[in-house]
Amino acid sequence: EDKVVQSPLSLVVHEGDTVTLNCSYEVTNFRSLLWYKQEKKAPTFLFMLTSSGIEKKSGRLSSILDKKELFSILNITATQTGDSAIYLCAVNSNSGYALNFGKGTSLLVTP
Amino acid sequence: DSGVTQTPKHLITATGQRVTLRCSPRSGDLSVYWYQQSLDQGLQFLIQYYNGEERAKGNILERFSAQQFPDLHSELNLSSLELGDSALYFCASSPTSGRASGELFFGEGSRLTVL
Repeated sequence: EDKVVQSPLSLVVHEGDTVTLNCSYEVTNFRSLLWYKQEKKAPTFLFMLTSSGIEKKSGRLSSILDKKELFSILNITATQTGDSAIYLCAVNSNSGYALNFGKGTSLLVTP
Repeated sequence: DSGVTQTPKHLITATGQRVTLRCSPRSGDLSVYWYQQSLDQGLQFLIQYYNGEERAKGNILERFSAQQFPDLHSELNLSSLELGDSALYFCASSPTSGRASGELFFGEGSRLTVL
């Protein structure tokens, strides 16, 4: 059975800190890994990673995938209170039709 | 705004009852996915429809069923409700023809409370 594990489950940091969120996975026939941000309701897409070692970047957020060690990290630099959210990691495989999500990391950025 | 519309936003009902959640996908998206999100389980995949046909099933209980209509909107029916069915139910859509190779677009969710 496919497995996606995120750590830590929750995190509290001060504004300006840098955080690293982790996602490890065990899937058959890996296809892609996606990161979503969930603030109040609907998860919104951040990144999709398919190739190992290539960093995806958007402003203060960046993510990288290691297909050999089966994990991904999401980095947020110079955190702001608006970064407070649940960050979800999901994996897609060739043997499944739907995204398989981890339980998420709840990030709280305090002023 | 993702373009995915879900109704109702909130629903409170009693154990043993039946409810229907509705989803309209983004214009042009043929695939609809239903997910259940509870505090301890995270986002759990329930079922996927593509262009009116069931494509994949996840951890969906036998008391739950879904369908996708010719206009591509979808309904999730939950019956014989139990306290443990209280959760946020998300609908997501994608333009892909089959396997979800990329981004899913999520609706705002329907929060179900079973008392």
